[in-house]
Amino acid sequence: DVKVTQSSRYLVKRTGEKVFLECVQDMDHENMFWYRQDPGLGLRLIYFSYDVKMKEKGDIPEGYSVSREKKERFSLILESASTNQTSMYLCASSLYIGDQPQHFGDGTRLSIL
Amino acid sequence: DAKTTQPTSMDCAEGRAANLPCNHSTISGNEYVYWYRQIHSQGPQYIIHGLKNNETNEMASLIITEDRKSSTLILPHATLRDTAVYYCIVRVAAGNQFYFGTGTSLTVIP
Repeated sequence: DVKVTQSSRYLVKRTGEKVFLECVQDMDHENMFWYRQDPGLGLRLIYFSYDVKMKEKGDIPEGYSVSREKKERFSLILESASTNQTSMYLCASSLYIGDQPQHFGDGTRLSIL
Repeated sequence: DAKTTQPTSMDCAEGRAANLPCNHSTISGNEYVYWYRQIHSQGPQYIIHGLKNNETNEMASLIITEDRKSSTLILPHATLRDTAVYYCIVRVAAGNQFYFGTGTSLTVIP
């Protein structure tokens, strides 16, 4: 089974802090994704990566950056956290772009105070 | 864009088959139908996907109508652990992301 592990289930940070969310997958997948999930808005794609050191913007990249130094690890960075970034953050991976499904981690519920 | 339409909620008796419908009348020839579910406080879990043929795996069966305008996810013997929100998604194979709508909240009743 595919395992996508997110470093924290719950995280509380303060406004202006730099926040790192970590995601690791164990299936040698090429592609990794970061979404945020908010009530009534569904899942929205923040960034994704097709390969090591590659990144592409999703629908809502503002205020975020990403890093993929190793194939199995994809990090989401909130450069200067703001209260409107309080959300559930979900990481996903897939074997390749095609009809392959994305497999999700259990999410990090981030609160910015 | 809402490409799929699902009932807001459904109930199913434990041990019975749960049949979850999905309408996707504007589906294109190159779009697949995917089903995911999300149990409270967990990430979405992939269930099954298909293009035009019916599919079955250890979790469920997917029945796609011949005109591909609708599909049904079947959980053959529902258990309490199947209580979740079920999402039907259509997506081109080359697409980057999955657009999750509001889904169907399935409650399995003892």
